Amino acid sequence: QQQVKQSPQSLIVQKGGISIINCAYENTAFDYFPWYQQFPGKGPALLIAIRPDVSEKKEGRFTISFNKSAKQFSLHIMDSQPGDSATYFCAASMSIAGKLIFGQGTTLQVKP
Amino acid sequence: GAVVSQHPSWVICKSGTSVKIECRSLDFQATTMFWYRQFPKQSLMLMATSNEGSKATYEQGVEKDKFLINHASLTLSTLTVTSAHPEDSSFYICSAIRDRGHEQYFGPGTRLTVT
Repeated sequence: QQQVKQSPQSLIVQKGGISIINCAYENTAFDYFPWYQQFPGKGPALLIAIRPDVSEKKEGRFTISFNKSAKQFSLHIMDSQPGDSATYFCAASMSIAGKLIFGQGTTLQVKP
Repeated sequence: GAVVSQHPSWVICKSGTSVKIECRSLDFQATTMFWYRQFPKQSLMLMATSNEGSKATYEQGVEKDKFLINHASLTLSTLTVTSAHPEDSSFYICSAIRDRGHEQYFGPGTRLTVT
């Protein structure tokens, strides 16, 4: 019940295309859903996060869509760029400062 | 603001020895710090939660006598891997929060290689 399932494991997108990564959770007590970007050999960096009372949040080219009834949320990267090539992790926790449960990660490659 | 550093960034040690990794919050006081382990091409797994001045809380399956965590001040937490073995080779990442109203800020990670 503590798991967060992420798909796909890997994704190849052409430059300018839309990258979509999906996550699903079971625990309805989760109240904070962040997405992180990680480059090789670096720590993860927070991209964007959402609370369950909002169905969508957009920051620049990054959008989170949240479906509370389906217990799913997704990250959309618009106009994907080669510099977006990285590993993306979704996560969930009971609060903004709580323990994070990470998804399995998605390796994104954006081809020029 | 909200910068977290780790030292060292990369360490190699021999099997059976101990190694200490430091995690510092540079521009804020961290009430809580988390320690994660990440194996190659895998996700981050929470090892333990440390609060300043109290004992760390370890996740199930993490050996507390092997991974010693000390959160001695509001800006410093240390992780000591005791009697390290090759299977402890991993990427160790810490994070810190300043209070319950803010998200975790992650450090750059420490690559540990045990030979």
